[in-house]
Amino acid sequence: EAGVVQSPRYKIIEKKQPVAFWCNPISGHNTLYWYRQNLGQGPELLIRYENEEAVDDSQLPKDRFSAERLKGVDSTLKIQPAELGDSAVYLCASSLENEQFFGPGTRLTVL
Amino acid sequence: GDSVTQMEGPVTLSEEACLTINCTYTATGYPSLFWYVQYPGEGLQLLLKATKADDKGSNKGFEATYRKETTSFHLEKGSVQVSDSAVYFCALSLSFTGGGNKLTFGTGTQLKVEL
Repeated sequence: EAGVVQSPRYKIIEKKQPVAFWCNPISGHNTLYWYRQNLGQGPELLIRYENEEAVDDSQLPKDRFSAERLKGVDSTLKIQPAELGDSAVYLCASSLENEQFFGPGTRLTVL
Repeated sequence: GDSVTQMEGPVTLSEEACLTINCTYTATGYPSLFWYVQYPGEGLQLLLKATKADDKGSNKGFEATYRKETTSFHLEKGSVQVSDSAVYFCALSLSFTGGGNKLTFGTGTQLKVEL
């Protein structure tokens, strides 16, 4: 069974540019999560989806971050415009019940 | 709010040494507790979990016991190997009605095992 797939694995952009990350969860997993992991820290939840509905986006900086999960499968997380402080690893995870499975992450560097 | 505190690293051990990584938590309700491992260049992998007090999670020679009285979930292994070198994250989870849960992570502890 394929795991959570994320792309790209690495992204380097200049500040003020837009960037998007894509996630394909494990087939059949209704719940999808986006986390941000700063260097030397644990992951922090940005947004949680139940099917296509964002049920917890309280930690998502809505002025520059947006996310969507059309059709309740794949998801895209976007930052526009990016700032230096957005440099981090962005992790996607999915779950069917209470165990979350993580993708490899996208490492974003903002110059 | 809910939080997890784990010992700072890096922890450097010789192969076959004993390992303990301390983890304590603060939570409302009755969380499930997890240890995740992150190998270099890879995503987080679930190492073990415990869902209620006094449960012991175990996997790959690692163990952790859910201690409600001390709000702890310390990770232990009797004999570490070089291949255990990774970053270990303690986490707690509270479930939501209707599915899904929220993981709250500690800051991670880097383990380096040397020959």
